[in-house]
Amino acid sequence: DTGVSQDPRHKITKRGQNVTFRCDPISEHNRLYWYRQTLGQGPEFLTYFQNEAQLEKSRLLSDRFSAERPKGSFSTLEIQRTEQGDSAMYLCASSRPFVRGQQETQYFGPGTRLLVL
Amino acid sequence: AQSVTQLGSHVSVSEGALVLLRCNYSSSVPPYLFWYVQYPNQGLQLLLKYTSAATLVKGINGFEAEFKKSETSFHLTKPSAHMSDAAEYFCAVTLYSSASKIIFGSGTRLSIRP
Repeated sequence: DTGVSQDPRHKITKRGQNVTFRCDPISEHNRLYWYRQTLGQGPEFLTYFQNEAQLEKSRLLSDRFSAERPKGSFSTLEIQRTEQGDSAMYLCASSRPFVRGQQETQYFGPGTRLLVL
Repeated sequence: AQSVTQLGSHVSVSEGALVLLRCNYSSSVPPYLFWYVQYPNQGLQLLLKYTSAATLVKGINGFEAEFKKSETSFHLTKPSAHMSDAAEYFCAVTLYSSASKIIFGSGTRLSIRP
């Protein structure tokens, strides 16, 4: 496994601008998760895909946030009209297809650190 | 709803000393519990996970954790701290073995004194 990769690693933007982050999961992992981590806190769940279907969204994911996984491989997370409160680390994780009797393990990428000025 | 509480946002131990990071969970059904480690400017790495097969779980880098249902605890320990153990540690819980969001604690920063 080459690991989960995220791009960019760092992003500085001005309030009101749109930003897009990309996540490439481990190959053959059909499940992909997005989390947000603010300073001094643990990650918080944002949304989850199984293949190309978005199966769950947190209430944290306001209408300014949109996530896609069009071909069931990489995913993008877009934030429109960024606000200073959006400054955080955005983490992506992926996992293998579920096998009954086995506990799923999520593998995390290095994250994208966003700073909104 | 399930949750985890990590007691102590910062723990400092001497190199070679016992490491004990505390985690208590709240869940209405038997939980699946995890410990993750995060080094500066990096993502999270799984240390170990409890899946009801055994109450004492051994993980990577010499860490282990014991599930105690009567105390609703899942404390992380390591007999002898190493400088390289300095990092942020997160206890986490999920309800299901299959795809499910993970609920993380607020983290404990472990510092190692020479």
